[in-house]
Amino acid sequence: AQKITQTQPGMFVQEKEAVTLDCTYDTSDQSYGLFWYKQPSSGEMIFLIYQGSYDEQNATEGRYSLNFQKARKSANLVISASQLGDSAMYFCAMRVPSNDYKLSFGAGTTVTVRA
Amino acid sequence: KAGVTQTPRYLIKTRGQQVTLSCSPISGHRSVSWYQQTPGQGLQFLFEYFSETQRNKGNFPGRFSGRQFSNSRSEMNVSTLELGDSALYLCASSPTGGGSTEAFFGQGTRLTVV
Repeated sequence: AQKITQTQPGMFVQEKEAVTLDCTYDTSDQSYGLFWYKQPSSGEMIFLIYQGSYDEQNATEGRYSLNFQKARKSANLVISASQLGDSAMYFCAMRVPSNDYKLSFGAGTTVTVRA
Repeated sequence: KAGVTQTPRYLIKTRGQQVTLSCSPISGHRSVSWYQQTPGQGLQFLFEYFSETQRNKGNFPGRFSGRQFSNSRSEMNVSTLELGDSALYLCASSPTGGGSTEAFFGQGTRLTVV
């Protein structure tokens, strides 16, 4: 079975600073995909970034980067230069073949950006 | 390109009633998945449809069912509603639903059962 753990229920960050959201995962599959989603108060889940288990480079998408440490089974999201609009819930998720590629989500981390 | 559209956005139903939620995926996407989100249980997978066939199913009672039409639009039905069914129901579409494909979500339907 696979499991996603996000240990930070809530975080505060000052505008323009960087913030790191922790995500650890557990799976016996060798091939897997890791995803981060943002969920504002409106409810929609917004895809942010993807990292494949065989990708050698850490994924980056604009102000989002993924610190992928395969041996530690860690896939932390880094948001640089935080903006007020970054205030939202952030979810780490994973797809593995043994689970028929269903998206499994962590519990989420609430980020509040302060002006 | 239009995103994933879920209707209705909000719904209030009484215990014992049934409800149907609709999801129109991104054009060209053949995989549609449904998730239930509650404060206590988080995001839980309900089922996935691909080319009109249910491909995966989560651990929900038979009161929860779904279907997909030839245009990939999907509906989810919950019969004999219970108070615990109050949740945000999210629909996600992807081209194939495979390992590396991101899922694109709709804004969800917020169901309240009273």
